[in-house]
Amino acid sequence: SQQGEEDPQALSIQEGENATMNCSYKTSINNLQWYRQNSGRGLVHLILIRSNEREKHSGRLRVTLDTSKKSSSLLITASRAADTASYFCATDGHNQGGKLIFGQGTELSVKP
Amino acid sequence: ETGVTQSPTHLIKTRGQQVTLRCSSQSGHNTVSWYQQALGQGPQFIFQYYREEENGRGNFPPRFSGLQFPNYSSELNVNALELDDSALYLCASSYKTANTGELFFGEGSRLTVL
Repeated sequence: SQQGEEDPQALSIQEGENATMNCSYKTSINNLQWYRQNSGRGLVHLILIRSNEREKHSGRLRVTLDTSKKSSSLLITASRAADTASYFCATDGHNQGGKLIFGQGTELSVKP
Repeated sequence: ETGVTQSPTHLIKTRGQQVTLRCSSQSGHNTVSWYQQALGQGPQFIFQYYREEENGRGNFPPRFSGLQFPNYSSELNVNALELDDSALYLCASSYKTANTGELFFGEGSRLTVL
């Protein structure tokens, strides 16, 4: 079963615009992670935010976490065509036995 | 490049057959996790191996089994293949800590069951 629900399922923007993706989850977590996947390939880790953190930055990425609402958002600023990919949130929950539970993903298309 | 390699990259099987997928973990990692990703879905956890023992299993039937070897490489075996087993199978390696940190994924093995 998938814990995370991502919104929107698909997003199409122009180069230079910002892209925001949201993730909601159901149970208490140790941390939440975001991954990127180019079409049909492996996942690449982008950023990890711990349950006691509210915001984290990495280059053009900004992640927020609201544990009271059980939600997170990923913001990509000044998007580029190369950012076109699927983006997944994944939670490391309490008593999850070392597994990450992934959402269904947001498919981002950045048009040049 | 994560240093995690999977083989084969693509394969086609028929219903009822058996398949073995292989994964070499990144140097220094002692934990391997396997995920199944159906088309258009997020990855679903199959199981994890730590120090050659299964260390957690998702909601998959016993015909999905695995091994981890002393060099921390791993195999995923699926018996009695069904059409719904068609998916991208992803291996991820990590170094086990109290909480699950970053996973390093291979490029996956795409299985088609006819």
